[in-house]
Amino acid sequence: DTEVTQTPKHLVMGMTNKKSLKCEQHMGHRAMYWYKQKAKKPPELMFVYSYEKLSINESVPSRFSPECPNSSLLNLHLHALQPEDSALYLCASSLKDAFVQPQHFGDGTRLSIL
Amino acid sequence: DAKTTQPTSMDCAEGRAANLPCNHSTISGNEYVYWYRQIHSQGPQYIIHGLKNNETNEMASLIITEDRKSSTLILPHATLRDTAVYYCIVRTTNTGNQFYFGTGTSLTVIP
Repeated sequence: DTEVTQTPKHLVMGMTNKKSLKCEQHMGHRAMYWYKQKAKKPPELMFVYSYEKLSINESVPSRFSPECPNSSLLNLHLHALQPEDSALYLCASSLKDAFVQPQHFGDGTRLSIL
Repeated sequence: DAKTTQPTSMDCAEGRAANLPCNHSTISGNEYVYWYRQIHSQGPQYIIHGLKNNETNEMASLIITEDRKSSTLILPHATLRDTAVYYCIVRTTNTGNQFYFGTGTSLTVIP
């Protein structure tokens, strides 16, 4: 069982829909991450939050909007996605400073865009 | 951050040691070597990391060559549950430096 919980596990949405992915951890970690993973490819970093502030945006399109309401919760808001955005979206957290301590990953949300 | 090179795939007999190599010939002095693995349908899992000394934990051992240009992850007694993609990553511990997964090695443990 993972200590980083992602919901939903699967999501199918149309290109005009608005949906959100949720990630939660209760380990007291202060760095949280979103990654995107296409089939048979390694995870690719999208966003990093450090102490609830966005510290890294890897030039992600604005149709992806991250939010960190508190130290335990990370959301990814989705709007007007394209079919190529279909992928596994992974959330991770680490103890303090981004990338310094090992990251703990959730099992991801598998997103399909119709 | 330094680039890593890993074999695309490897097989290992169940119960034997699995030795996964990683080449990082351009590693710099303050870059650590990290290993993660990803079992099918799960998120990546941290295994171990080290700077220059060999490291061991309950999951694996990490052997880093003296010149630090390569390393080997050792799973001492591979089980079927160790079948996964293993990623070798090098990075500094300076904040702000990103974390890039390479293509990894797909390890298959054979009964």
